[in-house]
Amino acid sequence: DSGVTQTPKHLITATGQRVTLRCSPRSGDLSVYWYQQSLDQGLQFLIQYYNGEERAKGNILERFSAQQFPDLHSELNLSSLELGDSALYFCASSTLGRGEQYFGPGTRLTVT
Amino acid sequence: AQTVTQSQPEMSVQEAETVTLSCTYDTSESDYYLFWYKQPPSRQMILVIRQEAYKQQNATENRFSVNFQKAAKSFSLKISDSQLGDAAMYFCAYRSGGTASKLTFGTGTRLQVTL
Repeated sequence: DSGVTQTPKHLITATGQRVTLRCSPRSGDLSVYWYQQSLDQGLQFLIQYYNGEERAKGNILERFSAQQFPDLHSELNLSSLELGDSALYFCASSTLGRGEQYFGPGTRLTVT
Repeated sequence: AQTVTQSQPEMSVQEAETVTLSCTYDTSESDYYLFWYKQPPSRQMILVIRQEAYKQQNATENRFSVNFQKAAKSFSLKISDSQLGDAAMYFCAYRSGGTASKLTFGTGTRLQVTL
């Protein structure tokens, strides 16, 4: 158990819908990262937050957004969903100054 | 931009034997970290081992060790005394030393462990 929690574990929704994925980092970690794992794109970095502020952006679509709240949990919002958004979405957390990131169990999103 | 290459899509090893997974990377940075992550069928991403670029000594974690060749930009993972539970996808990952510290992953190597 990495200490990072993600909910829900599975999500099935229809095209055009909007969903919210939730992540709670390890105790004491201020940085949260979101990654997408799909068959054709592999593991891709989406976005990073540090102590409530956006720190870095990767290949995140405009239909996707995220935020980190004062209690440090983070949410990834995916809207106008398309079939191609079906993937495993991971959240990871780290302590600033240390290299490693610890991953949550992921949320498997299926868009039908 | 940094890139990570894993040229072995699949590898197989017999139980109790040793296997080495290859990884090369490309960067112009001098401060960075390298990692191996394991993804078993449960899909959980599990940190196996980390290496700081400034450290010359190769990292070791129990049966897992790395061969870090900085000049060659090579970072291979050696698994000794392989066990059935080692069967998984293994991803090599790179992280810059700065605070905007995303991980860049390779495409992974699927490791099979046979009896």
